[in-house]
Amino acid sequence: DADVTQTPRNRITKTGKRIMLECSQTKGHDRMYWYRQDPGLGLRLIYYSFDVKDINKGEISDGYSVSRQAQAKFSLSLESAIPNQTALYFCATSDRREMIETQYFGPGTRLLVL
Amino acid sequence: AQKITQTQPGMFVQEKEAVTLDCTYDTSDPSYGLFWYKQPSSGEMIFLIYQGSYDQQNATEGRYSLNFQKARKSANLVISASQLGDSAMYFCAMREGPPRADGLTFGKGTHLIIQP
Repeated sequence: DADVTQTPRNRITKTGKRIMLECSQTKGHDRMYWYRQDPGLGLRLIYYSFDVKDINKGEISDGYSVSRQAQAKFSLSLESAIPNQTALYFCATSDRREMIETQYFGPGTRLLVL
Repeated sequence: AQKITQTQPGMFVQEKEAVTLDCTYDTSDPSYGLFWYKQPSSGEMIFLIYQGSYDQQNATEGRYSLNFQKARKSANLVISASQLGDSAMYFCAMREGPPRADGLTFGKGTHLIIQP
């Protein structure tokens, strides 16, 4: 089984709809992240979380919110989806106890907003 | 200013040749880490190699090595003896400061195609 899972893997929604993307991990890591990838732009950080009670905004948090329900779960919500939020979304985890604290990525969620 | 610059949007390389993918970075923080990730057409992000700013030696992992030139602020990825399976997008990324939960800053990537 994959260490970092994302659901759904693909989603089509309409402008104005609320949508939630979920991330779960079995790696026991304390830190979790959400990124989005747009063609030609690389990955950009949306939100990150030190632990359950510590949530931080990233570079492009406008239009998004997150919830860290447990150490292993980190959800990303689009309160009112718009077409320019069409992208590939990645969840990642890291362990502060690791010397280099590598980030390990989930398989991604492809989101299309019509 | 971009913090991570990858100047090669695309590269074609013959199989079995060595490949160098360029990455320059910009930071005023004396402590930072540099990462390379591979993204095949299936979409997942695969960690390849890491170089810390205080590391004395260039990092190596199997066929991957990192040519770290601190004064030039460059961290080029070298793939020796390229294989068809190396065809993918490659991203350079940086984390500034001591290890903490801040995210990575990514470059725009290089699309590498290995030709038989």
